[in-house]
Amino acid sequence: QQQVKQSPQSLIVQKGGISIINCAYENTAFDYFPWYQQFPGKGPALLIAIRPDVSEKKEGRFTISFNKSAKQFSLHIMDSQPGDSATYFCAARGGKLIFGQGTELSVKP
Amino acid sequence: EAGVAQSPRYKIIEKRQSVAFWCNPISGHATLYWYQQILGQGPKLLIQFQNNGVVDDSQLPKDRFSAERLKGVDSTLKIQPAKLEDSAVYLCASSSLSGRETQYFGPGTRLLVL
Repeated sequence: QQQVKQSPQSLIVQKGGISIINCAYENTAFDYFPWYQQFPGKGPALLIAIRPDVSEKKEGRFTISFNKSAKQFSLHIMDSQPGDSATYFCAARGGKLIFGQGTELSVKP
Repeated sequence: EAGVAQSPRYKIIEKRQSVAFWCNPISGHATLYWYQQILGQGPKLLIQFQNNGVVDDSQLPKDRFSAERLKGVDSTLKIQPAKLEDSAVYLCASSSLSGRETQYFGPGTRLLVL
């Protein structure tokens, strides 16, 4: 019940395309859902986050869509760029942060 | 503002040896976390400190792992004795106040146990 399931494991997108990463959770007590971006050799960095009383949050090219009834949330990266190539983690907070398994995104020029 | 500092960045040891990692959080951050990130997985919380006190160490293998945060600032994480399955990146993170704010991660220490 404390798991966060993330898919796909890896994703290849052409430059200018839309990258979509999905996460699902079971614990309805989770109250905060961040996405982290991690480059090789670096620690994860907060990208964008949402609370369950909001269905969508947009910051620049990054959008979180949140479906409370389905217990799912997703990250959309519009106009994907080679510089977006990184590993993305969704997470959910129920006291502590529980991370998904990660999605390795590669944006081809 | 300086970020979270960790050292060493890389460590290679033999199994059954001991190893220690050091973390200096962002200045003023009361909450400090140690995570273990195994290759291909997301970070897993090992221990959370609020100032000097332990808030959550439910996933810390206490028979071999220990951590301390003296004076509510720097922290060390120790493994003794190390096992092959301890090979991972150990991430330190910090956040201000109650710990419900954004967590800022350091670059991690990559440990290889042979």
